[in-house]
Amino acid sequence: EAGVVQSPRYKIIEKKQPVAFWCNPISGHNTLYWYRQNLGQGPELLIRYENEEAVDDSQLPKDRFSAERLKGVDSTLKIQPAELGDSAVYLCASSFSERTDTQYFGPGTRLTVL
Amino acid sequence: GESVGLHLPTLSVQEGDNSIINCAYSNSASDYFIWYKQESGKGPQFIIDIRSNMDKRQGQRVTVLLNKTVKHLSLQIAATQPGDSAVYFCAENYSGAGSYQLTFGKGTKLSVIP
Repeated sequence: EAGVVQSPRYKIIEKKQPVAFWCNPISGHNTLYWYRQNLGQGPELLIRYENEEAVDDSQLPKDRFSAERLKGVDSTLKIQPAELGDSAVYLCASSFSERTDTQYFGPGTRLTVL
Repeated sequence: GESVGLHLPTLSVQEGDNSIINCAYSNSASDYFIWYKQESGKGPQFIIDIRSNMDKRQGQRVTVLLNKTVKHLSLQIAATQPGDSAVYFCAENYSGAGSYQLTFGKGTKLSVIP
């Protein structure tokens, strides 16, 4: 069974530019999460989706970050405009439902903002 | 590639010895705990989980111990192998009131000496 797929794996942009990350969760998983992981730290939740509904986006910086999961499967996380402090690894995870707590992570997208 | 283990507590063990990685969690109401392994350049990988109604759970070469009195979690790895070298994160979840947010600890870097 394929795991969580993310692309691109690496992205280097200049500050103030937009950037987008894509995630395809494990087939059949209704819950999708976006995390940000800074160097040397654990992942921090940005947003959680139940199917196509964003049910927890309290940690998402809404002035520059946006996310969507239009058909309840794939998801896109966007930053516009990017700032130097946005450099991090952006991880996507999925689980079968919000009541199945085991989350499976993708490989992440390493973003570098210059 | 860039390591996720910079500035993290480090545990060095000889190949074949047993490893014990400790974690102090923050929320006394947390009822579900997970250990993840993260290798450089990869996303966190599920190792083992435990619910708060248990104090011990065993997997293949790994054992998780939970002490709710002092809010302490540990991961024991038997006969540590070079492939076990990674950063290990504990994560806690409180599922009360419909919240399913996973909170990660700071991580411990395990280095296995051949």
